[in-house]
Amino acid sequence: NAGVTQTPKFRILKIGQSMTLQCTQDMNHNYMYWYRQDPGMGLKLIYYSVGAGITDKGEVPNGYNVSRSTTEDFPLRLELAAPSQTSVYFCASSTGQGTYEQYFGPGTRLTVT
Amino acid sequence: AQTVTQSQPEMSVQEAETVTLSCTYDTSESDYYLFWYKQPPSRQMILVIRQEAYKQQNATENRFSVNFQKAAKSFSLKISDSQLGDAAMYFCAYRRIQGAQKLVFGQGTRLTINP
Repeated sequence: NAGVTQTPKFRILKIGQSMTLQCTQDMNHNYMYWYRQDPGMGLKLIYYSVGAGITDKGEVPNGYNVSRSTTEDFPLRLELAAPSQTSVYFCASSTGQGTYEQYFGPGTRLTVT
Repeated sequence: AQTVTQSQPEMSVQEAETVTLSCTYDTSESDYYLFWYKQPPSRQMILVIRQEAYKQQNATENRFSVNFQKAAKSFSLKISDSQLGDAAMYFCAYRRIQGAQKLVFGQGTRLTINP
């Protein structure tokens, strides 16, 4: 199993550009999450999904959109990138059962200039 | 809303010694989970240890153990026999039992191991 994979690993955007961060998991997990980590800080939840076709906002959703058309994929869309969105983005997934451990991807480092 | 606070931005310890990282949290829930995650320079988030709030016994994983004080809402991580590979950012995290199992993270503690 590859676990949770994210692409790209690094990206530099200009202000006002748009992009999609890709996230795929091969563990058949129902629950998926997007977090952002600002320098020297903990992770904050942007959006999450409890299954295909179901998404909901987290703590910091402004400036982002998500979709969940399949169990495996949970892309994060940035529209009109702003310097405040410079961060490291983590995707995670969990089964939603048992101790509900979240498995994290390797992260995407995004810089908006 | 739940909050998690790590009051030690940085800690250092000599190799082979013991270090304790502090974490406090605020919640009105009676049942929940608590976690410690390790984030080495590779950025990968690695689960170190978990604690179920309904269990009185403190969780232990090899050299890692916790001191869970439910009434005080305190959840500290003890690392025994510290190794150079333990150097990393450590994050305390909270999660409700019910709902979408969203994690709430503290600000992190950077742990340095001195050889």
